[in-house]
Amino acid sequence: SQTIHQWPATLVQPVGSPLSLECTVEGTSNPNLYWYRQAAGRGLQLLFYSVGIGQISSEVPQNLSASRPQDRQFILSSKKLLLSDSGFYLCAWSTLPRARNTEAFFGQGTRLTVV
Amino acid sequence: AQTVTQSQPEMSVQEAETVTLSCTYDTSESDYYLFWYKQPPSRQMILVIRQEAYKQQNATENRFSVNFQKAAKSFSLKISDSQLGDAAMYFCAYRSAIRIQGAQKLVFGQGTRLTINP
Repeated sequence: SQTIHQWPATLVQPVGSPLSLECTVEGTSNPNLYWYRQAAGRGLQLLFYSVGIGQISSEVPQNLSASRPQDRQFILSSKKLLLSDSGFYLCAWSTLPRARNTEAFFGQGTRLTVV
Repeated sequence: AQTVTQSQPEMSVQEAETVTLSCTYDTSESDYYLFWYKQPPSRQMILVIRQEAYKQQNATENRFSVNFQKAAKSFSLKISDSQLGDAAMYFCAYRSAIRIQGAQKLVFGQGTRLTINP
């Protein structure tokens, strides 16, 4: 069965420090991968998605970047964190493009607090 | 661009009673999917129920059912026989059937926090 792992679960970082959140998927190949952010009291906003190794699409301009160095690994990064980067970050995956009716599966999330 | 609106920030219901969560969406597309996700205190997003826009029949999953009104662009979730474990944040989400570069992007509403009173 497929599983998605996301870490760390919680992170407190000072303003101006770098960030690296990692997400890996097991039990599937060529997944579509996504990074969402959930600000306090708000819904989820799609930040990045990837349909293949090295292919990254950004949905909103921001202080963050994403990379996909391996098929089932998705990394969210920042060189210098801002206070506004605080939030709950969720990684998700979905199946191959040829499947019409597919759902997204989410990781357990990372709560990032920038102080 | 598509938008999803959940107008009820918070709802509460007595255990064993029925509650309905509202969701409206805006789209010019005719082929899409709608979802309800549950986010309990553990923060793990769990799919509750899915509706395909081309299907007229409302989806049901055990105690969970939807009222899908395509013309009105409304997609409400009904929880019957509410249980304490149903307490969570519920998100309505939209996904186009059109794949943008192969990706399936979800558009979420703001969420409704559901409290179950024992």
